[in-house]
Amino acid sequence: AQKITQTQPGMFVQEKEAVTLDCTYDTSDQSYGLFWYKQPSSGEMIFLIYQGSYDEQNATEGRYSLNFQKARKSANLVISASQLGDSAMYFCAMREGEDSSYKLIFGSGTRLLVRP
Amino acid sequence: GAVVSQHPSRVICKSGTSVKIECRSLDFQATTMFWYRQFPKQSLMLMATSNEGSKATYEQGVEKDKFLINHASLTLSTLTVTSAHPEDSSFYICSAVAGWNQETQYFGPGTRLLVL
Repeated sequence: AQKITQTQPGMFVQEKEAVTLDCTYDTSDQSYGLFWYKQPSSGEMIFLIYQGSYDEQNATEGRYSLNFQKARKSANLVISASQLGDSAMYFCAMREGEDSSYKLIFGSGTRLLVRP
Repeated sequence: GAVVSQHPSRVICKSGTSVKIECRSLDFQATTMFWYRQFPKQSLMLMATSNEGSKATYEQGVEKDKFLINHASLTLSTLTVTSAHPEDSSFYICSAVAGWNQETQYFGPGTRLLVL
């Protein structure tokens, strides 16, 4: 079964508007972490934002915020005021449990295209 | 901070040869590094977890003898693709866990391998 599901293979957004990228996860662990990474066409993975399962407030980092709904097991990424440079692949990932291996499981990704 | 480099950025080799890819944490010590593989238009798949001073832990289905991993120091891990074949052509990307924030993996820029 998919542990991380990103249902939107591609998304368009108009420059300066906000966009939400969906991510749902599946785990039976009480302690876990959720991450979003951006991958531009050059290939590098850029860390955007992190949400711990015990964090009560939604994480925010500049124009990025994570809409964490624990009961629904969703961790959607919201990008406000989209910029042309936001066009990239976006991956949601999860680290399960207290295991010190810090292994991440990635979703299939969403390609975001920002229109001028 | 948290810069990870990879070398080379791209490599073309003949079938049957071996290729070594280096992953370095430039401004922090990384006790744990990870090696991923990404095929075009697909997500990242974890190959192995590399711990300094010990043997790497490989994911199911990854051949240990084909993908040799050495984590000789706190700032360097190497992946050697032995007897490379065209099906090994892929994007290989490493990540490192920083000591001060072991929740987050910081990724290198990746290495594109093409085996002819």
